[in-house]
Amino acid sequence: QKEVEQNSGPLSVPEGAIASLNCTYSDRGSQSFFWYRQYSGKSPELIMFIYSNGDKEDGRFTAQLNKASQYVSLLIRDSQPSDSATYLCAVDNYGQNFVFGPGTRLSVLP
Amino acid sequence: DGGITQSPKYLFRKEGQNVTLSCEQNLNHDAMYWYRQDPGQGLRLIYYSQIVNDFQKGDIAEGYSVSREKKESFPLTVTSAQKNPTAFYLCASSPRLAGPPTDTQYFGPGTRLTVL
Repeated sequence: QKEVEQNSGPLSVPEGAIASLNCTYSDRGSQSFFWYRQYSGKSPELIMFIYSNGDKEDGRFTAQLNKASQYVSLLIRDSQPSDSATYLCAVDNYGQNFVFGPGTRLSVLP
Repeated sequence: DGGITQSPKYLFRKEGQNVTLSCEQNLNHDAMYWYRQDPGQGLRLIYYSQIVNDFQKGDIAEGYSVSREKKESFPLTVTSAQKNPTAFYLCASSPRLAGPPTDTQYFGPGTRLTVL
């Protein structure tokens, strides 16, 4: 059974700071990794995906992947109160489906 | 507008009743999925389907059933055998099962089911 782990939080950061969200996964053969944001009571929306080792940047968001250590992280620069949400890490299961982590709740304090 | 629709948004049922949740997509996606989310928890896979008339069980399929008679539709029935059905149900689709690494899943707005 594949496992994806995240710190459930809440992670609190002041407005303007960098928020760092981490995710570890159990299957060394996993290839693709996705970060979703979910506001309370809403459905998840994709932030970004990554499948190569290293960093991938998209605006204020940077995904980092280290396959040797089996972790993927999401950095949010210049955090805003509107970034307050639960962030879900998902790992592709050999193209069959996704395995989701439990999510990390982020709170950005004004 | 392309997207995934789920209905109803809120659903109440009495114990012992079956109920069907609707999921429709006009994205021409091959693969569709059903997830369950309990408060403060992640998503758990119920069923998924790659093509019409074919579907596979996920991690928590017991007490649920699905059908895939049309590419754009993937309804989920919560049966009376599901012991604790109160949850937030999410439908998702992706272009192709076993597609390229960048194929992602897109979610509908969800249905919140409450058993009275």
